[in-house]
Amino acid sequence: GQQVMQIPQYQHVQEGEDFTTYCNSSTTLSNIQWYKQRPGGHPVFLIQLVKSGEVKKQKRLTFQFGEAKKNSSLHITATQTTDVGTYFCAPHQGGSEKLVFGKGTKLTVNP
Amino acid sequence: DTAVSQTPKYLVTQMGNDKSIKCEQNLGHDTMYWYKQDSKKFLKIMFSYNNKELIINETVPNRFSPKSPDKAHLNLHINSLELGDSAVYFCASSPRVIAGRETQYFGPGTRLLVL
Repeated sequence: GQQVMQIPQYQHVQEGEDFTTYCNSSTTLSNIQWYKQRPGGHPVFLIQLVKSGEVKKQKRLTFQFGEAKKNSSLHITATQTTDVGTYFCAPHQGGSEKLVFGKGTKLTVNP
Repeated sequence: DTAVSQTPKYLVTQMGNDKSIKCEQNLGHDTMYWYKQDSKKFLKIMFSYNNKELIINETVPNRFSPKSPDKAHLNLHINSLELGDSAVYFCASSPRVIAGRETQYFGPGTRLLVL
C-alpha cells in the first residue's frame, strides 16, 4: 500500500526565519493536497498540486510537486506567528477513493 | 452560515456508554467523511459516504456505525465506548467522490473523552 512520510515532525523557528516541510511517497501520486490546522482548530485546505514539477505560490507560501510525482514540499518565507499550526500533506494515489494524510509537521514560531 | 457543523463540540462520557455525534453540511456536497485524530494528531479516515451510500469503510471496530439519512447529514454512533476511543472526530465533506481530487471541508471537530 501507499507509504507516506512527512518530515520533520516538529519545527521550531524564530519569527522571520524560513520553514520547509517535506512529504515523500513510496509510489507515484496522482495529485497531492496540503492542509493547515491551527492549534485547537480543524484542517483547512491550502492547495492542490497535480502536474509533475508544478510550483504554486500563495503569498509567502511556495508549494512544489516533484518531477517524479513522488514528493512535495511546502516552504514558508519569513515566518510569522500566524503561521503556527500543523501542516499536513494529503497525497492521493490514482484509483483510490481516499486521501491518506501525512503525520503532519507541527510548526511553532517564537516571536 | 457554518458550512460543516458538528454536535456536540465536546463529549465526556464513561466507558461502556453509547454516544452519537452528528454532522451536517450546507454546501450541497455529495460526499461526506468521518476522520479520527488521536492525541499525536494523526488524522485517519474512518468512513465515507457518497449520496447516502457507504463507499469507504476503513478497519474500524464495528462498535462504530455511521448513518447517512440524506446527503447533507452523516452521523456517527459509537457503542460500548472504550478509553482508546478518546480523540477528536472530524466530519468533512467534498463536492463529489472523484478519487481524492476534491477539496475536503472539515467541521470544527468533536472532542471525545472517555473516562
